[in-house]
Amino acid sequence: EAGVAQSPRYKIIEKRQSVAFWCNPISGHATLYWYQQILGQGPKLLIQFQNNGVVDDSQLPKDRFSAERLKGVDSTLKIQPAKLEDSAVYLCASSLDWGLDSTDTQYFGPGTRLTVL
Amino acid sequence: AQSVTQPDIHITVSEGASLELRCNYSYGATPYLFWYVQSPGQGLQLLLKYFSGDTLVQGIKGFEAEFKRSQSSFNLRKPSVHWSDAAEYFCAVGGYNNDMRFGAGTRLTVKP
Repeated sequence: EAGVAQSPRYKIIEKRQSVAFWCNPISGHATLYWYQQILGQGPKLLIQFQNNGVVDDSQLPKDRFSAERLKGVDSTLKIQPAKLEDSAVYLCASSLDWGLDSTDTQYFGPGTRLTVL
Repeated sequence: AQSVTQPDIHITVSEGASLELRCNYSYGATPYLFWYVQSPGQGLQLLLKYFSGDTLVQGIKGFEAEFKRSQSSFNLRKPSVHWSDAAEYFCAVGGYNNDMRFGAGTRLTVKP
């Protein structure tokens, strides 16, 4: 079974530039998550989708971050404009369904490491 | 609001020695608890999870964790550490809508 795919793996940009990350979840997984992991910290949930609808975006800085999952499969996360403090690893995860039971393990992709100069 | 505290930022153990990583949580209802491992350049991998039932949970790679409600703890243990266990370990707590909160992590170094 293929895992969660993310691209690019690394990105370096100047502050005030824009950047986009792509995620392809495990086939059949209804729920998709984007996390931000700053160096030395645990992952922080930015946004959670169930199919193509947003379940939770309470921690997403909406003035500069946006995310979409138009067809309920792939997702993109965009930052515009980027700030120095956005330097982090952006992790995508997916789970089979919404709600925690024995099937709802979140599977993580390898992440995209963003450096903002 | 739920939160997780991992008191140890960095732990060093000798290969073959036992390991215990501490995790304390705060959650208003019955928590769902997880331990993930992250090796350099790798994504997070689930080691084990607790939803209900037996408070001693077995996971992959020989790890186990014990849920203690009275102490709000979910400590991770392994009886004999291997060099390949060196990594960052994250404890997480979640609720019914799968909104997980992670701790800051504990970095494990294994001495030969």
